[in-house]
Amino acid sequence: AQSVSQHNHHVILSEAASLELGCNYSYGGTVNLFWYVQYPGQHLQLLLKYFSGDPLVKGIKGFEAEFIKSKFSFNLRKPSVQWSDTAEYFCAVTPNTGNQFYFGTGTSLTVIP
Amino acid sequence: EPEVTQTPSHQVTQMGQEVILRCVPISNHLYFYWYRQILGQKVEFLVSFYNNEISEKSEIFDDQFSVERPDGSNFTLKIRSTKLEDSAMYFCASSGGGARAKNIQYFGAGTRLSVL
Repeated sequence: AQSVSQHNHHVILSEAASLELGCNYSYGGTVNLFWYVQYPGQHLQLLLKYFSGDPLVKGIKGFEAEFIKSKFSFNLRKPSVQWSDTAEYFCAVTPNTGNQFYFGTGTSLTVIP
Repeated sequence: EPEVTQTPSHQVTQMGQEVILRCVPISNHLYFYWYRQILGQKVEFLVSFYNNEISEKSEIFDDQFSVERPDGSNFTLKIRSTKLEDSAMYFCASSGGGARAKNIQYFGAGTRLSVL
């Protein structure tokens, strides 16, 4: 069965620190990959997505992610976080043959001013 | 920017009661979904709906659950006889047609269901 693992459950950073959140998935076929963010009290918002092509994808608000097929990973990065990045971050995978999303457990990011 | 809207934001009900959670997907979208997130756990897929029928459903989506698109704008999730373990945040999502568009799901803010 497909699964998505996010290794960091809670990350605390100071402003301007660099961020990397891990995401690994298990699925043998072609997948589409996503990162969603949920700010406190708000809905899940799409940060970035990967379907095919350049494995380094750029999203909104300075976030980027790199798809490494050999490692089944899609890690999220940001070179310099801001207090406003405090939120819950979810990695999600959907097989190319279906449209059901498989989510990771989420990573709670707290940025200290 | 168009949004998926969900009502109510919080629903409290007694065990055994029926609840209907409501969602208004983005207007030109064709695929509709329900997910749930039990506190402290991951977001889990419940069901997807396309062309007025269920296209996929998970093991969680048993006979107690049903979905409906009663008119051109609403998409509802009904739980017939709620159990304590149904307490969770329920998210509605929608996506457009086309090979890629259908894979980009837009989520609502969720309805928190509390079963007492």
